[in-house]
Amino acid sequence: EVQLLESGGGLAQPGGSLRLSCTASGFAFSSYAMSWVRQAPGEGLEWVSGIKGGGGGTYYGGSVKGRFTIYRDDSKDTLFLQMNSLRAADTGIYYCAKADRIDYPHIESWGQGTLVTVSS
Amino acid sequence: QSVLTQPPSASGTPGQRVTISCSGSNSNIGGNFVYWYQQFPGTAPKLLIYRNNQRPSGVPDRFSGSKSGTSASLAISGLRSGDEADYYCATWDDSLSGWVFGGGTKLTV
Repeated sequence: EVQLLESGGGLAQPGGSLRLSCTASGFAFSSYAMSWVRQAPGEGLEWVSGIKGGGGGTYYGGSVKGRFTIYRDDSKDTLFLQMNSLRAADTGIYYCAKADRIDYPHIESWGQGTLVTVSS
Repeated sequence: QSVLTQPPSASGTPGQRVTISCSGSNSNIGGNFVYWYQQFPGTAPKLLIYRNNQRPSGVPDRFSGSKSGTSASLAISGLRSGDEADYYCATWDDSLSGWVFGGGTKLTV
């Protein structure tokens, strides 16, 4: 069974940083693309970033490009999202998501999410 | 403004059939697989349909997906009160090089 467990959420000040982690189990982590998706309070889903499996490339949504960095440690089955220059608009639940392929973020499984609040 | 356009709401009575539309363009739906997700309040989304019309194991055959040109649809037959949820379509966008979601449709039964 695929399991994705996010951690690292919390309160951050505008302009500050946070690093999210997602520990995966139940599948061959390195063989699948992974993504981060967020949901602002009362709003819809927004894809944030994706990373290919097998040491491939990365993708970013327009609102986070240049501020967020996605990376993975396949030796530890863990996905990360380094978030810098945080803004109030970055507030929301951040979901870790697994793709059904190695190269593109065609999401098939979701974690339970971790809450990020950006406020002074 | 979402890249994919969904109606904000849909409704039906128990036993009815309801469809939710998802409209895009040649750079997204027109050339890529469409996925559908179901989300209940306070919970994570769940995959409902993948690759346009495929159901994951455990998803009832009351749920079906279709795609034609730059639009896709999710159909739910034999509507139940337990189907009340938000539904999102999604696909890859070649121009944006990103995964895009519809704005979501709140289904009321």
